[in-house]
Amino acid sequence: GIQVEQSPPDLILQEGANSTLRCNFSDSVNNLQWFHQNPWGQLINLFYIPSGTKQNGRLSATTVATERYSLLYISSSQTTDSGVYFCAVASGGSQGNLIFGKGTKLSVKP
Amino acid sequence: EAGVVQSPRYKIIEKKQPVAFWCNPISGHNTLYWYLQNLGQGPELLIRYENEEAVDDSQLPKDRFSAERLKGVDSTLKIQPAELGDSAVYLCASSPEGAGTEAFFGQGTRLTVV
Repeated sequence: GIQVEQSPPDLILQEGANSTLRCNFSDSVNNLQWFHQNPWGQLINLFYIPSGTKQNGRLSATTVATERYSLLYISSSQTTDSGVYFCAVASGGSQGNLIFGKGTKLSVKP
Repeated sequence: EAGVVQSPRYKIIEKKQPVAFWCNPISGHNTLYWYLQNLGQGPELLIRYENEEAVDDSQLPKDRFSAERLKGVDSTLKIQPAELGDSAVYLCASSPEGAGTEAFFGQGTRLTVV
């Protein structure tokens, strides 16, 4: 099945800093999603981005499907950005499943 | 619009006891997933439904786990009997039509087996 690798596994930032999280995947995809898991365990949808670029406030994401990677950018980080960021992908048309990477744990210090 | 609703939020049971989790997906979503998340890990798929049909249950430990999605709406995941290693968060998600469409997750059920 499709493999998903996220990097870095852990990231510590000072409030106000910028960061880039990466997601590599091993096959063509028809779905790529970025999630933020908050301290209470809820998975919050950030982006549905199988290709192209999207922006939402301080967050933006780019997926280069032909090169099999996606990037999540966080600008001017805040302590509330802390948590685990997951990338999940699906391939294989209607038969595919949504497969998660191991996540990037982000800690933003005041 | 209501999101994916799961209950209970928390459950503590003794080993060898049965337990059941319930999920109500977003209205109109045909695809429903159950995932298992262990501490410090990403969610792992247990089963995927398209309407009432389980189209992928290859990762479901069928000796003790079972699931159903009657009428293609609500779903129940059951463990019988529970083991200590089943302690984890069980997540339900739904999407409009297949894995290529955007999935949304419920808040999960945190199971502790003692």
